[in-house]
Amino acid sequence: GAVVSQHPSRVICKSGTSVKIECRSLDFQATTMFWYRQFPKQSLMLMATSNEGSKATYEQGVEKDKFLINHASLTLSTLTVTSAHPEDSSFYICSAFGTGNYEQYFGPGTRLTVT
Amino acid sequence: EDQVTQSPEALRLQEGESSSLNCSYTVSGLRGLFWYRQDPGKGPEFLFTLYSAGEEKEKERLKATLTKKESFLHITAPKPEDSATYLCAVHGTDKLIFGTGTRLQVFP
Repeated sequence: GAVVSQHPSRVICKSGTSVKIECRSLDFQATTMFWYRQFPKQSLMLMATSNEGSKATYEQGVEKDKFLINHASLTLSTLTVTSAHPEDSSFYICSAFGTGNYEQYFGPGTRLTVT
Repeated sequence: EDQVTQSPEALRLQEGESSSLNCSYTVSGLRGLFWYRQDPGKGPEFLFTLYSAGEEKEKERLKATLTKKESFLHITAPKPEDSATYLCAVHGTDKLIFGTGTRLQVFP
């Protein structure tokens, strides 16, 4: 199966600062990547679809100016949480389609804690 | 509206006690139904894709089946290492829709 990595795995930041999370497809090219958010004991909620070379598509209710997504290459998408607040604390997971099918492969996730 | 419902929410099994997890769905234009395993603090791990009613797939102690309205994940003779949350998702028009998962605990 396809391998997706995320960095960092854990990050703690102070309120008002920004933090960047990287998502990489390691053994395949991903024109589309997805960013999810997961609260404890809840399922994954799609935040946005990241398209290489174009603007991301955000789900309803997700602030695009707060969650900046950049998909600058076929193997890298980044999510920047700007002016972080404690309520942004969550588990952020990215995914990408495997080559030639609709199977999504997920990264290991990033635990963000805003103090 | 595309929707996925999983049941039960939680399941406790004795080691070796077989059971099934259910995933009911409504979607316009199913492009695939997916099962994932998620361990605490980790991203979902891909298990199976099913594309059409009647399709079945197996992997070790797991077997996934699909009808036009639901999918089952059968677990045969589970072991403690099968303990995890099992997520079902359907690919509808343009994105994956996830169920809330079934938290499985298998104890010795």
